[in-house]
Amino acid sequence: EADIYQTPRYLVIGTGKKITLECSQTMGHDKMYWYQQDPGMELHLIHYSYGVNSTEKGDLSSESTVSRIRTEHFPLTLESARPSHTSQYLCASSGTGEETQYFGPGTRLLVL
Amino acid sequence: AQSVTQLDSHVSVSEGTPVLLRCNYSSSYSPSLFWYVQHPNKGLQLLLKYTSAATLVKGINGFEAEFKKSETSFHLTKPSAHMSDAAEYFCVVRGGTGGYNKLIFGAGTRLAVHP
Repeated sequence: EADIYQTPRYLVIGTGKKITLECSQTMGHDKMYWYQQDPGMELHLIHYSYGVNSTEKGDLSSESTVSRIRTEHFPLTLESARPSHTSQYLCASSGTGEETQYFGPGTRLLVL
Repeated sequence: AQSVTQLDSHVSVSEGTPVLLRCNYSSSYSPSLFWYVQHPNKGLQLLLKYTSAATLVKGINGFEAEFKKSETSFHLTKPSAHMSDAAEYFCVVRGGTGGYNKLIFGAGTRLAVHP
């Protein structure tokens, strides 16, 4: 079944740790996105990718980095987590010429 | 620049009564507009979208929205609320042109449904 997956769903980690949030989609979409959502707030785009080896910064400045080595995979990395990184991170994808973005279930990150 | 304003942060209705979630947009050209729903601990699900075809758009779960250019509005409605409709709803406008498929989200409206 075509879908978009995120792991882990929940992560509690100490300050200074390196973390990677995984996002994979099986829909063959070329475009992928990462959004950050604080509780009760709107989503803000932090990274997007047009395709393999293409990554761009979004509207909201973020200390995270992303990579796109394979079409289906778009991981997000924080080299040194801080409490200010506590948030929900949502991954999305869309196909060529398609405006609709399909979202994963999100990762809730808590940095202590 | 494109933007959306959701006029109510919280809406509370009784089960079986109509639902109205209000959204106004700002766009320098003919916009593409979306409504997404987010249930607790779930990802965002597309309810419906308007892309310059029919102004009355029907979505999933009995929801619909009407694009009114003169009022720059895209309100979401449902004739009869169900308990399972309790969730956060986001009005979204497409912000980019060409290959940049940028979505701009409203602040969200939390819908509560009471028995």
